[in-house]
Amino acid sequence: DQQVKQNSPSLSVQEGRISILNCDYTNSMFDYFLWYKKYPAEGPTFLISISSIKDKNEDGRFTVFLNKSAKHLSLHIVPSQPGDSAVYFCAARRISGANNLFFGTGTRLTVIP
Amino acid sequence: DVKVTQSSRYLVKRTGEKVFLECVQDMDHENMFWYRQDPGLGLRLIYFSYDVKMKEKGDIPEGYSVSREKKERFSLILESASTNQTSMYLCASRTGGDYGYTFGSGTRLTVV
Repeated sequence: DQQVKQNSPSLSVQEGRISILNCDYTNSMFDYFLWYKKYPAEGPTFLISISSIKDKNEDGRFTVFLNKSAKHLSLHIVPSQPGDSAVYFCAARRISGANNLFFGTGTRLTVIP
Repeated sequence: DVKVTQSSRYLVKRTGEKVFLECVQDMDHENMFWYRQDPGLGLRLIYFSYDVKMKEKGDIPEGYSVSREKKERFSLILESASTNQTSMYLCASRTGGDYGYTFGSGTRLTVV
């Protein structure tokens, strides 16, 4: 049962425009959310995170928004650059229990020059 | 920077072989994890470990086992490799107080 879902397997965006990647979750016990970026033949690298007590976190061109009532988060990249082309994974952590992260299925972002 | 090293980038093994995937981290992290990544399925947790000699099953442990004899090393073992275990395998580590993981570069395993 997929507790973290990324319903768009791919997204193409023109360079300079905004990229919006979406993520939905089903478990209300998740208290911390992260985005990872993965290039081919490399491991995922941490990008940005947000605690469930916040609704927005910003780091340079990257902003993550959290809507707890909708169990939805999104990653905004502005402006998008060709080097942002990668697979993006959303991940979530539960308040209690095991400390492992639950990952979504990923969205492949292609930024077109 | 924390470094997580996976011993092989690419492996090709035959069906029925016993396969060892090795992972070493250099920052004294307590927690280590093995995931596999498959298209359309994302990252799925196979096994994780909180400490030396401790292990917990993840979501898809069938056909796998693990070993953690030393804190820095976490090995994934495919007891009898099958073609459905062809995948990208990712090792990660984390300190107890940190939410994020540091991943290795991955091992692309092909079972023929």
